[in-house]
Amino acid sequence: NAGVTQTPKFRVLKTGQSMTLLCAQDMNHEYMYWYRQDPGMGLRLIHYSVGEGTTAKGEVPDGYNVSRLKKQNFLLGLESAAPSQTSVYFCASSYSFRVGPTSTDTQYFGPGTRLTVL
Amino acid sequence: AQSVAQPEDQVNVAEGNPLTVKCTYSVSGNPYLFWYVQYPNRGLQFLLKYITGDNLVKGSYGFEAEFNKSQTSFHLKKPSALVSDSALYFCAVRDARGGFKTIFGAGTRLFVKA
Repeated sequence: NAGVTQTPKFRVLKTGQSMTLLCAQDMNHEYMYWYRQDPGMGLRLIHYSVGEGTTAKGEVPDGYNVSRLKKQNFLLGLESAAPSQTSVYFCASSYSFRVGPTSTDTQYFGPGTRLTVL
Repeated sequence: AQSVAQPEDQVNVAEGNPLTVKCTYSVSGNPYLFWYVQYPNRGLQFLLKYITGDNLVKGSYGFEAEFNKSQTSFHLKKPSALVSDSALYFCAVRDARGGFKTIFGAGTRLFVKA
């Protein structure tokens, strides 16, 4: 059981280049999320998905696109990278969205992708 | 609007001493509150959450947190710190009325000295 994995771990892009970050989970979770982590700002939600084939915008969606063609995978794309997108990107998944006394709403995070845009 | 404040960028404590990492929040309705820990080069790990009921919540690795509604605080505590507790700690809040947004604080780095 690998949990949540992310590919790649590190990447350096030039302004204007494109790339796709891959997130995979093997826990059969319905919900998946992409966050970015910037110093002094905590985590901010970019996009999320409530199930296969569905995606929605989070707090900071501009400049990013996502797809969830398979339940276990959630892809984050940068069509034209900008220096402002230099960040650490985390994927997470959870079984449920509703917060309750069980652990079904617990978000499990991947190890992160460190992206630098020059 | 929801917000979370972690007033300390860094907390230093000696091993064996009690530790407190502070968190205050603002939310329109009742809050769901969370603490996560991040070790170097790793993703966030869930520690504990407050939903309702008992104001003292116990979580993983001996951590606990106390919900104080009047002070809108949810401070993380541990009676006896370990060097291995050194990490980055994040407080987060979600409005219990619904909605998807979970707001994370900026994080507090905990250093435990041997």
